[in-house]
Amino acid sequence: GEDVEQSLFLSVREGDSSVINCTYTDSSSTYLYWYKQEPGAGLQLLTYIFSNMDMKQDQRLTVLLNKKDKHLSLRIADTQTGDSAIYFCAETRYSSASKIIFGSGTRLSIRP
Amino acid sequence: DTGVSQDPRHKITKRGQNVTFRCDPISEHNRLYWYRQTLGQGPEFLTYFQNEAQLEKSRLLSDRFSAERPKGSFSTLEIQRTEQGDSAMYLCASSFSRGGGDQPQHFGDGTRLSIL
Repeated sequence: GEDVEQSLFLSVREGDSSVINCTYTDSSSTYLYWYKQEPGAGLQLLTYIFSNMDMKQDQRLTVLLNKKDKHLSLRIADTQTGDSAIYFCAETRYSSASKIIFGSGTRLSIRP
Repeated sequence: DTGVSQDPRHKITKRGQNVTFRCDPISEHNRLYWYRQTLGQGPEFLTYFQNEAQLEKSRLLSDRFSAERPKGSFSTLEIQRTEQGDSAMYLCASSFSRGGGDQPQHFGDGTRLSIL
């Protein structure tokens, strides 16, 4: 979706931190999400943040939200080979709180 | 919590045939959603139900597509007279909604449709 943009690829060394970035256009976003998709599988909800929050941390995952710049990031600490997947940034909006609008996904690859 | 279940996982059919997919949501979830995902893209919203009522449909849902959730539990998505462009992964998700508050949507593993 053109309303949520992400870079297509990211390569990191095992053990380093991964930072996946996302920008969105609609200021009426309510929730912002990060989903993970492994090959041939559905989407796994990793974490989400309400639009009035700036940061959320959950074990190795840290989400940062900059509402002014409409920028969302996901940091994965101590990246492992099992983190290899496509990561989707997504949002819901006041205008249609039922549907999720997804970015095109960032493919994260881990090198030894 | 057994998660969202979709059947079949894969469907291969000839152009022009009808296909039907099934989704079983997480048992206490009252909302059910259908999305379509094409290669290299994120999922796109098709439609959603609150209990048995279909409350929103995307413009992507042409008149060849119909979704039902007759008893407010499982749902079916039927595509009639399939076309090459229907080849995609069809994802189902469910969530719990009470009043104005929505919980996050949880997805199944999808049904991959291939049109020959």
